[in-house]
Amino acid sequence: DAGVTQSPTHLIKTRGQQVTLRCSPKSGHDTVSWYQQALGQGPQFIFQYYEEEERQRGNFPDRFSGHQFPNYSSELNVNALLLGDSALYLCASSETVATNEKLFFGSGTQLSVL
Amino acid sequence: ILNVEQSPQSLHVQEGDSTNFTCSFPSSNFYALHWYRWETAKSPEALFVMTLNGDEKKKGRISATLNTKEGYSYLYIKGSQPEDSATYLCALYGQNFVFGPGTRLSVLP
Repeated sequence: DAGVTQSPTHLIKTRGQQVTLRCSPKSGHDTVSWYQQALGQGPQFIFQYYEEEERQRGNFPDRFSGHQFPNYSSELNVNALLLGDSALYLCASSETVATNEKLFFGSGTQLSVL
Repeated sequence: ILNVEQSPQSLHVQEGDSTNFTCSFPSSNFYALHWYRWETAKSPEALFVMTLNGDEKKKGRISATLNTKEGYSYLYIKGSQPEDSATYLCALYGQNFVFGPGTRLSVLP
């Protein structure tokens, strides 16, 4: 049973470019959330998707957008990249949106913006 | 907006020592508190999910307590082993998940 998978593992972009990160949730999970982890900080919540809709959103600008597909996989898109967007992007899935459901994380995509 | 703090930022212990670290928060305006272990080059893994009326949680040598009145949760590791070396993250679920910065534990053989 595959866990949460993310692609690519590493990515290098330049300022102003756009990037798409991908996530496949753990089998049986329908809820996907995305996190940004900068060096020395804990993961920061970007948004959560459930039933192909954005259900919750953290304090991130509109340059950050996402999508969830019918098979529950998800994409994170970042437009007009800034140097400060360099970070590890983690995807997590859970069985439902319930508050006591633990998160299962992928290994992350390390994004470097030059 | 929830603010989650963790202390210490990092610590080094000898194999066999017991240790504990703290997750603190200013209010109990959340639904659940999660602890995750994040080993280097791996993904964060859930240790415990604690609800507001939950008791102490225990998993092998690791246990956690939650005191919502005083605003903290403790994670205890009894008889630390090198494989316990990891970053331990605390997260509160209110409107969404808010993670603390983590405590980095190194267990020296």
